[in-house]
Amino acid sequence: EPEVTQTPSHQVTQMGQEVILRCVPISNHLYFYWYRQILGQKVEFLVSFYNNEISEKSEIFDDQFSVERPDGSNFTLKIRSTKLEDSAMYFCASSDPGGTYGYTFGSGTRLTVV
Amino acid sequence: AQSVSQHNHHVILSEAASLELGCNYSYGGTVNLFWYVQYPGQHLQLLLKYFSGDPLVKGIKGFEAEFIKSKFSFNLRKPSVQWSDTAEYFCAVNGGYQKVTFGTGTKLQVIP
Repeated sequence: EPEVTQTPSHQVTQMGQEVILRCVPISNHLYFYWYRQILGQKVEFLVSFYNNEISEKSEIFDDQFSVERPDGSNFTLKIRSTKLEDSAMYFCASSDPGGTYGYTFGSGTRLTVV
Repeated sequence: AQSVSQHNHHVILSEAASLELGCNYSYGGTVNLFWYVQYPGQHLQLLLKYFSGDPLVKGIKGFEAEFIKSKFSFNLRKPSVQWSDTAEYFCAVNGGYQKVTFGTGTKLQVIP
């Protein structure tokens, strides 16, 4: 079964540093998403991406965050100047061209900001 | 705007007991509904989904859910739980081409 791949699985960074979380969506999917889950809290939507641009973003997704699809396979989330409260599990997801048949989630990147 | 409510935050059951987890959604139009599971230390996995057709949906691992449009509900059921079902369960909804919105999750603990 096709998978969404995320790397790294765990990233530790110092406060104020920049991190890039990487995702390889399923090859024929056209919609891409980032979600995060702070420990013990609900899964929160960050951003959706379609046709090489952001289609929707939440209030969490401020100027500190950016997304990019640098080539035909990768989808990245960049967090500039990380803060302690950015510590969370970040999930990438992709969905089929229709956009309505459920998401396939990656295994997540646990980001720890110290 | 769409929203999802999961009423049970923490459920404790003995093995072989039956399970029903409640989920209610709010959205004015046609919706797609999902249940995801997250085992301890693992990522989200899709249990089942509903888009149209038979309102009783069967998923993996013996789970099923019933869409009741008049009640805006999509409850998850399993007739006999196992210790390995211990996990957190998330109901989720998306309307049309909108993003998926997750409920707050229900932690299920199954006691051997």
